[in-house]
Amino acid sequence: GENVEQHPSTLSVQEGDSAVIKCTYSDSASNYFPWYKQELGKRPQLIIDIRSNVGEKKDQRIAVTLNKTAKHFSLHITETQPEDSAVYFCAASRSSYKLIFGSGTRLLVRP
Amino acid sequence: GAGVSQTPSNKVTEKGKYVELRCDPISGHTALYWYRQSLGQGPEFLIYFQGTGAADDSGLPNDRFFAVRPEGSVSTLKIQRTERGDSAVYLCASSFLKKQGEFTEAFFGQGTRLTVV
Repeated sequence: GENVEQHPSTLSVQEGDSAVIKCTYSDSASNYFPWYKQELGKRPQLIIDIRSNVGEKKDQRIAVTLNKTAKHFSLHITETQPEDSAVYFCAASRSSYKLIFGSGTRLLVRP
Repeated sequence: GAGVSQTPSNKVTEKGKYVELRCDPISGHTALYWYRQSLGQGPEFLIYFQGTGAADDSGLPNDRFFAVRPEGSVSTLKIQRTERGDSAVYLCASSFLKKQGEFTEAFFGQGTRLTVV
């Protein structure tokens, strides 16, 4: 079945450093790849997404890259700040509605 | 409303009881989804509505789970004969069909934390 694997499960970085989270997906028909940030006890919120017709997308300190051949995509956060600390989830979808989520990465940014 | 609203925010029920979880999507969003999130895991797809009909219910774990959206807006997730393994946060999300086969981002509600004791 469809599967998304996410690594690492936890990531601790010093404030100002970069953080990279990687995901691989199994369904080659997937064409939509969102990233969600979830703070403790709160709802998941979309931070960036990419569709399969582009290889990279950037929004200020956040960027996502997609390699369709290898079936993997990555989230890059530069100049990390303490408020970036949260759990980040990647997801993949062939239909835009049925999101298959990874198991999450707990990011801790140390001041 | 301004966002996706879910009620109750917390529900504690005894094993074997019936529960209903409510979702009020963003006004105008035709697509509505239910996900289940267990502790330390990513959300798991349960069911998708386009308008009033369940277009994909492939994620419902068994026939104890059922969801309705009778008027194409508010949805109710119903769980019969609850089991301790049903304990999780149930998330609702909604989105809008922008063009053929392409939806806007899914906006999530705060979720209902269900605890079966």
